[in-house]
Amino acid sequence: KAGVTQTPRYLIKTRGQQVTLSCSPISGHRSVSWYQQTPGQGLQFLFEYFSETQRNKGNFPGRFSGRQFSNSRSEMNVSTLELGDSALYLCASSLERGNTEAFFGQGTRLTVV
Amino acid sequence: AQSVTQLDSQVPVFEEAPVELRCNYSSSVSVYLFWYVQYPNQGLQLLLKYLSGSTLVKGINGFEAEFNKSQTSFHLRKPSVHISDTAEYFCAVILNTGGFKTIFGAGTRLFVKA
Repeated sequence: KAGVTQTPRYLIKTRGQQVTLSCSPISGHRSVSWYQQTPGQGLQFLFEYFSETQRNKGNFPGRFSGRQFSNSRSEMNVSTLELGDSALYLCASSLERGNTEAFFGQGTRLTVV
Repeated sequence: AQSVTQLDSQVPVFEEAPVELRCNYSSSVSVYLFWYVQYPNQGLQLLLKYLSGSTLVKGINGFEAEFNKSQTSFHLRKPSVHISDTAEYFCAVILNTGGFKTIFGAGTRLFVKA
């Protein structure tokens, strides 16, 4: 069974641009969460989606947004990119919400120049 | 405020030696506890989890962890490490606050030396 797929794997963008990252969860998984990983801040929770609805949101500015489609695939968007948005963005999928195991993708490495 | 503290940012250890990676959390609500491992340029992989029941949890690759409610700790142990265990290890808690929120520790870099 295929794992969590994140595309693209690497991305270079210029300050002020916007970017969309994609995550395809494991087949049958309905919960998708997004995390930002940086050397300074570690792993920080961005959002959680379940059944096409955002169920939880971390402490990030409104420039960070996301959505989930009916097939559970999810996208996150970052507008007006800043240098500090450079990070590894990880997506995780779970069968259900809460205490079930999360399966992580390999991440999208975003570099803002 | 809820938080997860991994007490060591780096742990160097010789091959075949035992290792303990420490994790403490603070929370006023019920939690589920996890340990994940991350190899370079990879996502995270679940090592083990504690949801309820026996406080000693066994995971993959010979790792185990013990939940200590009174000390709010969930330390990870392995009796004999291999070179291939070199990686970043993350402790995480899921808070059940009506919704579910995951908080990760800052990570511990385990470096196994020959």
